[in-house]
Amino acid sequence: DTAVSQTPKYLVTQMGNDKSIKCEQNLGHDTMYWYKQDSKKFLKIMFSYNNKELIINETVPNRFSPKSPDKAHLNLHINSLELGDSAVYFCASSQNRGSGTQYFGPGTRLLVL
Amino acid sequence: AQSVTQLDSQVPVFEEAPVELRCNYSSSVSVYLFWYVQYPNQGLQLLLKYLSGSTLVESINGFEAEFNKSQTSFHLRKPSVHISDTAEYFCAVSDKNNNAGNMLTFGGGTRLMVKP
Repeated sequence: DTAVSQTPKYLVTQMGNDKSIKCEQNLGHDTMYWYKQDSKKFLKIMFSYNNKELIINETVPNRFSPKSPDKAHLNLHINSLELGDSAVYFCASSQNRGSGTQYFGPGTRLLVL
Repeated sequence: AQSVTQLDSQVPVFEEAPVELRCNYSSSVSVYLFWYVQYPNQGLQLLLKYLSGSTLVESINGFEAEFNKSQTSFHLRKPSVHISDTAEYFCAVSDKNNNAGNMLTFGGGTRLMVKP
């Protein structure tokens, strides 16, 4: 059973399009995250949701909009895609207590042409 | 705010040799420390973590890391590496006081390349 799953695994699209990436966790965790990994492998937090509420919103263009329909899902919608959005996007989840060890999904490789 | 520095972007090593991947951090608050591993074209997997107590922590596949508070370091070591250890290794910290929703701050990663 996959703990944190993301769809799609690969996404190739044209500049200017709108796309969504879905994330689901079956761990019963309270908190979910989106991270971006750039071409140099650098990982940076984008958003964090706790019980469907936004708690972290790093400096991310407002073309990126997370949506959490329930505690087990955190989707990422991107409007007007740009070349610089090409990256690997990772979803993660954790309990919001103790160390809050994060468990990561397999990643979505986005390529904007 | 926290920052994490991994001093080596790549570490080539021969199979069965020992290896050390260095990690230093900077933080104004107490932190938890983590090492994650990313195999080619895969997601991140937790390798080991330091929360409290003994400063030496071990993983099930032979890696260990030691928390050194005075040097603000959390170096990762393995006495004898295998080809299968070839991967990208990320050091990360999170705020112990949970003031940032357990947000992880990552280092730039170290690519471990094990050669036969």
